[in-house]
Amino acid sequence: NAGVTQTPKFRVLKTGQSMTLLCAQDMNHEYMYWYRQDPGMGLRLIHYSVGEGTTAKGEVPDGYNVSRLKKQNFLLGLESAAPSQTSVYFCASNEQGYSNQPQHFGDGTRLSIL
Amino acid sequence: AQSVAQPEDQVNVAEGNPLTVKCTYSVSGNPYLFWYVQYPNRGLQFLLKYITGDNLVKGSYGFEAEFNKSQTSFHLKKPSALVSDSALYFCAVRDWRFGNEKLTFGTGTRLTIIP
Repeated sequence: NAGVTQTPKFRVLKTGQSMTLLCAQDMNHEYMYWYRQDPGMGLRLIHYSVGEGTTAKGEVPDGYNVSRLKKQNFLLGLESAAPSQTSVYFCASNEQGYSNQPQHFGDGTRLSIL
Repeated sequence: AQSVAQPEDQVNVAEGNPLTVKCTYSVSGNPYLFWYVQYPNRGLQFLLKYITGDNLVKGSYGFEAEFNKSQTSFHLKKPSALVSDSALYFCAVRDWRFGNEKLTFGTGTRLTIIP
């Protein structure tokens, strides 16, 4: 029972490089989310998706793009990495239409931009 | 806008003593409130939630939380702390700005249980 799986777990990039973070869930959840966690700021929503083929902006979307081509996968892209994007990134998912249900989180991707 | 505040960055408790981690909220409408725990190098794990009903909510690992509407608080409690309870704790509220499935998190409280 894998739940939410994030790859890679760690990555170091140079400023200006691009990369894609992958999130996969095996719970058949409709809703998926990308957050970033920074010290003293809690978790902030970057982008989210309410179903296959849909994406929407969250609280801090600038500098990121996302895609949800398959229901089980949610990709987060950095086109031109900046040091301000050094953070821990978490993916989460939950069932559609059940706003009282908890979100399920992956173990995070630790990203450093030099 | 929906928001939660965790006024303490750090809480230290002796093993065996009761613990409280504080959370206050600001919402329009009925609040959906959650507590999550994060262990080192792991994602957040759900502890408990308040949607409606009894003000005292019981959750995982012996934790409970008390919903107080007049004080707009949702404090996390445990009668007897264990060293293994040491972790980062987040309070969260359902945020209706982005539809009905989003969470807004507090800044977190680091709980340290001293043996």
